[in-house]
Amino acid sequence: AQSVTQLGSHVSVSEGALVLLRCNYSSSVPPYLFWYVQYPNQGLQLLLKYTTGATLVKGINGFEAEFKKSETSFHLTKPSAHMSDAAEYFCAVSDMDSNYQLIWGAGTKLIIKP
Amino acid sequence: DTGVSQNPRHKITKRGQNVTFRCDPISEHNRLYWYRQTLGQGPEFLTYFQNEAQLEKSRLLSDRFSAERPKGSFSTLEIQRTEQGDSAMYLCASRPWAGVNTEAFFGQGTRLTVV
Repeated sequence: AQSVTQLGSHVSVSEGALVLLRCNYSSSVPPYLFWYVQYPNQGLQLLLKYTTGATLVKGINGFEAEFKKSETSFHLTKPSAHMSDAAEYFCAVSDMDSNYQLIWGAGTKLIIKP
Repeated sequence: DTGVSQNPRHKITKRGQNVTFRCDPISEHNRLYWYRQTLGQGPEFLTYFQNEAQLEKSRLLSDRFSAERPKGSFSTLEIQRTEQGDSAMYLCASRPWAGVNTEAFFGQGTRLTVV
């Protein structure tokens, strides 16, 4: 069965430092991969997605993610954290075996230290 | 395109009461999803519509929960005889029919508190 693992329920970085949020998935067929951001008491907003083609995907707010099939990973990065990046981030996978339903990770709360 | 709209944003109810939430998806989106989210967790799938047809329902969903999408546009989610364990954020999302790799667009959610 498909699953998504996000390593670290909380990640704390200093303002201006590199942000790295980890996502590993299990899928026996080519996956579609998504990162969403959720601010307090809000719905989820798409940051970026990988479908096919270039494995390095750029999204909104300066975030990017790289699909690494050999590592079954889709880690999210941003070179320099801003205070406004403080939020919860969710990784999701969708594939033919899940009937293209989104399978979600448990989320990582990003904390930005001044 | 006004996005996905959910009403109400917040609902406080007494245990045992019935509640109903509404979701208005993006108008050209055929697929509509309901999720439940509790603190520190990702969205938990509840049910899914394609147009007016309810195609999938989570096995975790008790029979106190029912959802409809009568005309293939807006949807309602009703919870009967609410319990404290029903307290959560209820999220609605829509996706267009064309393209299986399309992302879901979420509403802002309805936060339910059962007291």
